[in-house]
Amino acid sequence: DSGVTQTPKHLITATGQRVTLRCSPRSGDLSVYWYQQSLDQGLQFLIQYYNGEERAKGNILERFSAQQFPDLHSELNLSSLELGDSALYFCASSVVSGGAYEQFFGPGTRLTVL
Amino acid sequence: GESVGLHLPTLSVQEGDNSIINCAYSNSASDYFIWYKQESGKGPQFIIDIRSNMDKRQGQRVTVLLNKTVKHLSLQIAATQPGDSAVYFCAEMKEYGNKLVFGAGTILRVKS
Repeated sequence: DSGVTQTPKHLITATGQRVTLRCSPRSGDLSVYWYQQSLDQGLQFLIQYYNGEERAKGNILERFSAQQFPDLHSELNLSSLELGDSALYFCASSVVSGGAYEQFFGPGTRLTVL
Repeated sequence: GESVGLHLPTLSVQEGDNSIINCAYSNSASDYFIWYKQESGKGPQFIIDIRSNMDKRQGQRVTVLLNKTVKHLSLQIAATQPGDSAVYFCAEMKEYGNKLVFGAGTILRVKS
């Protein structure tokens, strides 16, 4: 168990809908990362938050957005869903201080868009 | 764009043998290289890392080798066990605390 929790574990929805994925980082970790894993694109970085502020953006679509709350949990919002958004979405957290940078991954949320 | 190891090969080894998983990376400016293991239905799990100023690093039953001349990274697993069966990803990090750029992965199958 990495200490990172993600909910829900599975999500099935229809095209055009909007969903919210939730992530709780390890206790004490200030940085949260979101990754998407699909068969054709592999593991792709989406976005990073550090202590509530957006720190880096990757291949994140405009239909997707994220935020990190004062209690450090993070949410990834996916809207106007398309079939191609079906994937595993992982959240990872790290301390990013004192020489520690290891990212710990949650179990993921499997999104299926029908 | 950035890329790390664009292939997804399968490596089959006999239990007890040593395994070598290879990875090619493209960004010579990366500071850290990391190996992750992903078991079915789980998130990636950190195995071992190496800084760009090192050539070799050893852990428990695992060794990572870095050849910056040819931009090559390898993971050696000694005495491979059935529990080592998983997908292995190499990843690179350009800066401390930055995003990870993952390779496509290698499937390791251990035959008993």
